[in-house]
Amino acid sequence: AQSVTQLDSQVPVFEEAPVELRCNYSSSVSVYLFWYVQYPNQGLQLLLKYLSGSTLVKGINGFEAEFNKSQTSFHLRKPSVHISDTAEYFCAVSDQTGGSYIPTFGRGTSLIVHP
Amino acid sequence: DVKVTQSSRYLVKRTGEKVFLECVQDMDHENMFWYRQDPGLGLRLIYFSYDVKMKEKGDIPEGYSVSREKKERFSLILESASTNQTSMYLCASSLVARSNEQFFGPGTRLTVL
Repeated sequence: AQSVTQLDSQVPVFEEAPVELRCNYSSSVSVYLFWYVQYPNQGLQLLLKYLSGSTLVKGINGFEAEFNKSQTSFHLRKPSVHISDTAEYFCAVSDQTGGSYIPTFGRGTSLIVHP
Repeated sequence: DVKVTQSSRYLVKRTGEKVFLECVQDMDHENMFWYRQDPGLGLRLIYFSYDVKMKEKGDIPEGYSVSREKKERFSLILESASTNQTSMYLCASSLVARSNEQFFGPGTRLTVL
């Protein structure tokens, strides 16, 4: 079974600074990868997803993520954060074939942007 | 605009009460899910359904049951609410393929006193 590790439970950062939120998954089988964002008192919404092709994926709100198969990682980055990026971020992984077709979520990283 | 709606944003119930949480999606999705979200534990899957009247247990089904009588509606039932079921409950739906993302409702914050 897949496991997803988000290495940082909380990431504080100043406004306009760059940020990286880390995500590693356990299995080396072919996977689909997702990042979701949850703003306060809301449900999750998709930021970006990797299905195949280019390992650099661009999402909404200026976020991007890079798929690294050899390191089984899918880290999320933004070059300059805004106060409005303060939210909980979740990484999720689905196996392309075999195993469960239910995605496995990480425990989340709370991004806190300070003025 | 695609939508997943949940019947209540906030709910307060007493221990031992039967609680119904309703979820409706308007995207004709086959899959529907119920998660609970607790600080530090992320999302934990309670039940999911891949078709009408079909259901499968997730990681933490104890104390919960579900009902899916129509494709667009998926209900979570707490037969006898307990204080340890105080949590945020999130409903989600998706198309059947593994490459498809989930669409989430706004959540129901349930407090059991």
